[in-house]
Amino acid sequence: DTGVSQDPRHKITKRGQNVTFRCDPISEHNRLYWYRQTLGQGPEFLTYFQNEAQLEKSRLLSDRFSAERPKGSFSTLEIQRTEQGDSAMYLCASNEQFFGPGTRLTVL
Amino acid sequence: QQQVKQSPQSLIVQKGGISIINCAYENTAFDYFPWYQQFPGKGPALLIAIRPDVSEKKEGRFTISFNKSAKQFSLHIMDSQPGDSATYFCAASRNNNDMRFGAGTRLTVKP
Repeated sequence: DTGVSQDPRHKITKRGQNVTFRCDPISEHNRLYWYRQTLGQGPEFLTYFQNEAQLEKSRLLSDRFSAERPKGSFSTLEIQRTEQGDSAMYLCASNEQFFGPGTRLTVL
Repeated sequence: QQQVKQSPQSLIVQKGGISIINCAYENTAFDYFPWYQQFPGKGPALLIAIRPDVSEKKEGRFTISFNKSAKQFSLHIMDSQPGDSATYFCAASRNNNDMRFGAGTRLTVKP
């Protein structure tokens, strides 16, 4: 257990629905990262926060994706109008070294 | 685009043997090169990392060898154990941002 928690661990949704994931990083860590991982691949960087500021966003993060870290503590990742191609494991990392267990999203 | 290329895709090693996984990168601005271990259903866990000012780093049975001129780095696992069976990812980043991962190597250590 790295001390990074993610909720929910699994999410099954229908295409077109919105989903929101939460990440609670290690409390004293100010950097928080979101990644996406598909089966048989390495994680792909999505976005990065330094405290509450979103400093970098990947081109993979389409307009349907939005991430927030309102108080510099927990973070949320929302996907609007989900598509089947969004099915993946969504990972959160605290100070780039400590990964959470991930949220596995399945879009039907 | 894939900026970090990892090989082999899978590796089978006998218990007690040496496991070697290789990575090559393209972006010379990368300044941090970690290796992660991932078990099924878990997030990646940092194993060992190196910065380009050194050519080798050893922690227990794990060693990173780094060749800056060739833009290559490798992970050596000495005395491999069945418990080491997992997927290993190399990665590279610049200023702790935008970590780029390799595609992973599935290691199986046979008893």
